[in-house]
Amino acid sequence: ETGVTQSPTHLIKTRGQQVTLRCSSQSGHNTVSWYQQALGQGPQFIFQYYREEENGRGNFPPRFSGLQFPNYSSELNVNALELDDSALYLCASSLPGQRDSPLHFGNGTRLTVT
Amino acid sequence: EDQVTQSPEALRLQEGESSSLNCSYTVSGLRGLFWYRQDPGKGPEFLFTLYSAGEEKEKERLKATLTKKESFLHITAPKPEDSATYLCAVQAAQGAQKLVFGQGTRLTINP
Repeated sequence: ETGVTQSPTHLIKTRGQQVTLRCSSQSGHNTVSWYQQALGQGPQFIFQYYREEENGRGNFPPRFSGLQFPNYSSELNVNALELDDSALYLCASSLPGQRDSPLHFGNGTRLTVT
Repeated sequence: EDQVTQSPEALRLQEGESSSLNCSYTVSGLRGLFWYRQDPGKGPEFLFTLYSAGEEKEKERLKATLTKKESFLHITAPKPEDSATYLCAVQAAQGAQKLVFGQGTRLTINP
C-alpha cells in the first residue's frame, strides 16, 4: 500500500512569486486535505477536496487555491507569496465513504519565502 | 470557535519514567478526538481516535483517555524512541473533515 507522497520536499521562493505543491493520495483515498504548519505550531487547515470539489476551507485568503484530479492527486497553489507563508505544507488523505476515518499525512513540503 | 490547548509545551523524562500529556478542548459537538505523533522533518503519524467520554485506547506504551473537556495521553515506562512531538486534534460534528490541532507537546526521553 502506497502512502501519501508530496513533492517537492523543499522549495525556496521569493516574495511575490507563485508556487505549486503536489500530492499523491494513499491508494483508494478520494478525500484530500491541505494543512499549513508553522515552526513550533500545530497544523492549520487550509482546505479539503472530495471528488474534485472543494469541501471546506479554513481561514486562508483566496491566493491559496487547490485542485483535485480524477486520479485523486491534488495541487496546492499559492500566489503572491509573503514571508509569513514560510512553513511546512502537509497533505493528508482519508478513506472513501468513511468521513470519520483518520487522516493519513505525507511528510510535507518545506517552503521558504525570502 | 473550536479550540485545542496542549500542556506542557515540552517535557523531558528519564527512560522508564511514566507521565501524562494533557489536551484540553472546546468544540461545537465532538465527532472525534485524534492523537498523532510527529518526528522532526516528518508528517504526523496517526495514533488514536476517541469518540466519546470514557473511551480508552492503548498501543504499546501509550494509552489515550477522553472526558467531556480533555484527553490524556499516558506514557508508561517510555523509551528513547518515544521521543517526538505529540499532537492532539478535534473534529467537529458538523461540516468538512477538518481537524483543529493543538500546538503539540515536545517529548524527550533521556536514556
